[in-house]
Amino acid sequence: AQTVTQSQPEMSVQEAETVTLSCTYDTSENNYYLFWYKQPPSRQMILVIRQEAYKQQNATENRFSVNFQKAAKSFSLKISDSQLGDTAMYFCAFMKHGGSQGNLIFGKGTKLSVKP
Amino acid sequence: GAGVSQSPRYKVAKRGQDVALRCDPISGHVSLFWYQQALGQGPEFLTYFQNEAQLDKSGLPSDRFFAERPEGSVSTLKIQRTQQEDSAVYLCASSLRDRGLGGNTIYFGEGSWLTVV
Repeated sequence: AQTVTQSQPEMSVQEAETVTLSCTYDTSENNYYLFWYKQPPSRQMILVIRQEAYKQQNATENRFSVNFQKAAKSFSLKISDSQLGDTAMYFCAFMKHGGSQGNLIFGKGTKLSVKP
Repeated sequence: GAGVSQSPRYKVAKRGQDVALRCDPISGHVSLFWYQQALGQGPEFLTYFQNEAQLDKSGLPSDRFFAERPEGSVSTLKIQRTQQEDSAVYLCASSLRDRGLGGNTIYFGEGSWLTVV
């Protein structure tokens, strides 16, 4: 079975600074996808960034980038130039490619607070 | 519609009462998922539909939980004889294609907050 671990329950960062959120996972699969989702107080999960395991290049979306270390099973999220609107819960998630299991497996989340 | 729509947004149920939660996925989306998110936890998978077919219900916690999607669009999650441990946010999500293909993006609704008293 796959598991996702987020070891930082809470993080804070000053506006305009950079913060990194950690995520590790455990799987015996070779092909899979990894995601970071943002969940504001409204509870809607919003996709921030995704990474295909077969791609060596780290995904980047504007101020958001990941450091994907497949051998170490690590998938951290870096937020640059933090903004007040980045304040939210952040969830790391795993999805197996193909087969009968395609659902997302989430970590417990990291609560990020961006301070003015 | 523009996004995944869920209703009711908030529901308070007395223990033992039956509840029904509705999900309107994005138009044309083949896959539909239900997740349960307890307080302080990440969402946990409940069940998956491909069109009207329920292909995976391995995450449903008990036989009190039942989900359907009879015409391949709107879905209903029904919880019978609610218990306090059923209190959670129930998230619905949809994606355009079959879940196993290409890691296609899954879009979430804002959830239905269920409190059982």
